[in-house]
Amino acid sequence: GAGVSQSPSNKVTEKGKDVELRCDPISGHTALYWYRQSLGQGLEFLIYFQGNSAPDKSGLPSDRFSAERTGGSVSTLTIQRTQQEDSAVYLCASSQTGSIEKLFFGSGTQLSVL
Amino acid sequence: AQSVTQLDSQVPVFEEAPVELRCNYSSSVSVYLFWYVQYPNQGLQLLLKYLSGSTLVKGINGFEAEFNKSQTSFHLRKPSVHISDTAEYFCAVSYQNDYKLSFGAGTTVTVRA
Repeated sequence: GAGVSQSPSNKVTEKGKDVELRCDPISGHTALYWYRQSLGQGLEFLIYFQGNSAPDKSGLPSDRFSAERTGGSVSTLTIQRTQQEDSAVYLCASSQTGSIEKLFFGSGTQLSVL
Repeated sequence: AQSVTQLDSQVPVFEEAPVELRCNYSSSVSVYLFWYVQYPNQGLQLLLKYLSGSTLVKGINGFEAEFNKSQTSFHLRKPSVHISDTAEYFCAVSYQNDYKLSFGAGTTVTVRA
C-alpha cells in the first residue's frame, strides 16, 4: 500500500476484554515498530520486528501485551484483560531494513477501555 | 538511557509570528535527532533530522532546527507560522546505529489568526 495502515482507527472496549490491533506496513519494509502514545506523554516504545530475527519485546509493559508478525508483513498487537490504563493511541511504524532515519507511521488506533 | 525533554507543553502563537519549540536531550554519545509533526487524527510525519554535518538543519514547511552539542539541544524554529501549522510536535533521539527512537512528551502548537 501507499502507507502504513492500521485498523481499527478507534476501538472502545470494556475492562477485562481482549483486543487485537492490526498494522499493515509499507510493502517491502522489513522493520516494524509498535509505539504507545498516552495522553500528555511522548511515544513509548513497545516492540520491534526486523525480518526473521527475534523481536525486541523490551518495551512491552506487562505480560498482557503480545505481538506477532506473520509472513514478515502484517502485525497484530494483542492486549489481554484490558485495563483502563491501557487507554492510549497505539501507533505502528515501518522502515526499510530498520533504518531509523526513514520511519513511516500509521494513523494509529485510539483504544478506549471503559 | 536517553531522555528527551520538551520544555513547553503548549505554545499559542499568532499567525505570521515566529515560533521556537525547545528540545533538550541527555546523552553522552553521538545521537541522531529528529522532529516529527502530528496533525489532528493523523500519524507522525518527519519534519527534519540531524544525522551529522551542518548543525543547522532545514526541513519541510519552512521549519529549521539547530543542533547544539554543548547544550545538548535541538530547538525547532519557524520564522512565520500559518494556521495550518497547528499540530503537535515531537522531538526524538536515537543513538547512532540504534533502531529505537526516544520521544519527548510533545508540544502542542496552536496558531491563531
